[in-house]
Amino acid sequence: GAGVSQSPRYKVAKRGQDVALRCDPISGHVSLFWYQQALGQGPEFLTYFQNEAQLDKSGLPSDRFFAERPEGSVSTLKIQRTQQEDSAVYLCASSLARGVKSGELFFGEGSRLTVL
Amino acid sequence: RKEVEQDPGPFNVPEGATVAFNCTYSNSASQSFFWYRQDCRKEPKLLMSVYSSGNEDGRFTAQLNRASQYISLLIRDSKLSDSATYLCACTGFQKLVFGTGTRLLVSP
Repeated sequence: GAGVSQSPRYKVAKRGQDVALRCDPISGHVSLFWYQQALGQGPEFLTYFQNEAQLDKSGLPSDRFFAERPEGSVSTLKIQRTQQEDSAVYLCASSLARGVKSGELFFGEGSRLTVL
Repeated sequence: RKEVEQDPGPFNVPEGATVAFNCTYSNSASQSFFWYRQDCRKEPKLLMSVYSSGNEDGRFTAQLNRASQYISLLIRDSKLSDSATYLCACTGFQKLVFGTGTRLLVSP
């Protein structure tokens, strides 16, 4: 596709359920990032992949959060035993270059997670 | 203290006004700086990069002050379509660090 595609766009989960959020980056983009954006806040970094390698996962808030990009393209963010504080928009972004020096990250429309 | 700080606003201005936003950053090792625009319930999109010498793109001017560790965005002749949240971003180690965003509302 032409842009970054995320699914599902909306997800309602009961507290304690596991969820999986998918990101399909722009074809050929080396770098892939996951961000969490709570209401009224800016995007908060979660994790970064360069191809299939997860180079930085320092932003993952707990061990309930896990991300993978096994073949260097599609990525999945998994949240186990969801809690109400996990409610947020999860944004995926990709860039052609390694790292962020150019600053141009292309974001998907996000997956809005609501935990009841 | 957050690594990148912005006044959340909202800034309410009439059409045609000039408005300026500032953003401060705490990581002196940051190399590159950017302004992103985010419309309501949409994804952030790159508005412009910020260079040390200052740079202009139409009605938008961005400046960087490394000594004081702040960047600014000036919008001249505001349009209704400029209503959005403006996020400043700085490079950290292998990631972009965003501020909370400043909300701008331009009214007729």
